[in-house]
Amino acid sequence: DAGVTQSPTHLIKTRGQQVTLRCSPKSGHDTVSWYQQALGQGPQFIFQYYEEEERQRGNFPDRFSGHQFPNYSSELNVNALLLGDSALYLCASSGGDRGRSAQHFGDGTRLSIL
Amino acid sequence: AQSVTQPDIHITVSEGASLELRCNYSYGATPYLFWYVQSPGQGLQLLLKYFSGDTLVQGIKGFEAEFKRSQSSFNLRKPSVHWSDAAEYFCAVDMETSYDKVIFGPGTSLSVIP
Repeated sequence: DAGVTQSPTHLIKTRGQQVTLRCSPKSGHDTVSWYQQALGQGPQFIFQYYEEEERQRGNFPDRFSGHQFPNYSSELNVNALLLGDSALYLCASSGGDRGRSAQHFGDGTRLSIL
Repeated sequence: AQSVTQPDIHITVSEGASLELRCNYSYGATPYLFWYVQSPGQGLQLLLKYFSGDTLVQGIKGFEAEFKRSQSSFNLRKPSVHWSDAAEYFCAVDMETSYDKVIFGPGTSLSVIP
């Protein structure tokens, strides 16, 4: 049973570019959440997708957007990259009892902005 | 605003010694509570969770945590630490009204002396 998978593992971009990160949830999960984890800090909630719609959003600018597909996989898009966007981006999935199951995390995508 | 605090940024213990990592939260009601562990370069692994019922919960790898409503705390414990327990530990809360919007603490880094 595959867990949460994320791609790519590492990514290097320059300021002003755009990036797309991908996530496949754990089998049986229908909810995907994205987090940004800066070095030495705890993960910060970006947004959550359920039934192909953004259901919750954290305190992140509109440069951060996402999408969920009918198979529950998800993408995180970041436009006009800034140096401060360098971080580990984590995807988490959950499901079953509406919102009351623990989230399972992927290994993340390490994004470096030059 | 809701928040999670982990008072200890870094803890060092000897192998075989007992361990307690502290976590406090600020929220008007009882949230759902979690402890996650993160090894370098990895995603987060769920150690244990508290939703309701018995306030002492058992997790994987010999960890346990106790929810104390009066202290708004959810401290993680292990009776005998192994060298492989060295990692970053995150306490997290899921605010019941926010559909899996999980807020993480800043983390406690654990070092284990052989």
